[in-house]
Amino acid sequence: AQSVTQLDSHVSVSEGTPVLLRCNYSSSYSPSLFWYVQHPNKGLQLLLKYTSAATLVKGINGFEAEFKKSETSFHLTKPSAHMSDAAEYFCVVSALSSGTYKYIFGTGTRLKVLA
Amino acid sequence: DSGVTQTPKHLITATGQRVTLRCSPRSGDLSVYWYQQSLDQGLQFLIQYYNGEERAKGNILERFSAQQFPDLHSELNLSSLELGDSALYFCASSVEFGGGNAEAFFGQGTRLTVV
Repeated sequence: AQSVTQLDSHVSVSEGTPVLLRCNYSSSYSPSLFWYVQHPNKGLQLLLKYTSAATLVKGINGFEAEFKKSETSFHLTKPSAHMSDAAEYFCVVSALSSGTYKYIFGTGTRLKVLA
Repeated sequence: DSGVTQTPKHLITATGQRVTLRCSPRSGDLSVYWYQQSLDQGLQFLIQYYNGEERAKGNILERFSAQQFPDLHSELNLSSLELGDSALYFCASSVEFGGGNAEAFFGQGTRLTVV
């Protein structure tokens, strides 16, 4: 069965320092993986997606993620945090189940950016 | 703007009542997903429709039902409402024509408060 684990429920960084949000997945076949961001009282916005092309995926707002099959990881990074990055981030795997694709969400990581 | 429209944005109703949440997917998207997001349960998948047919069910209560109409908009009906049904309800849509690479686009959500 497919699953996704976000290893940290909360991450705090100082403005201008690097961001690392960790995600591990479990999938019996080559997965499609996504990162979404949710700002307070807003909908979820796609940051980036991996679909078996380049293993290093660049997304919006300076975020990127690297797919590492050997480690079953898809960690999200950003070189320099900005105050506007404070939000909740969800790692998502697309899973085939009963003939259709479902999106399986991690439990989320709340990112706090300190001035 | 994701292109997914949800109405209403906010809904306050009393216990025991019934409400209908509406979702218009992005133009061209055939799949509609409903999710419930609450503080204690996180983001829970409720149900998926594809081109008018139910394709997958998640943690949807029997008091809840949904349908997708020929014009592809979808409605989520919540009845016999309880205090615990208070949550943010999201609709998402995707193209999903057989592969798992398509990302889901989320609406801004309907915040339901049951009093």
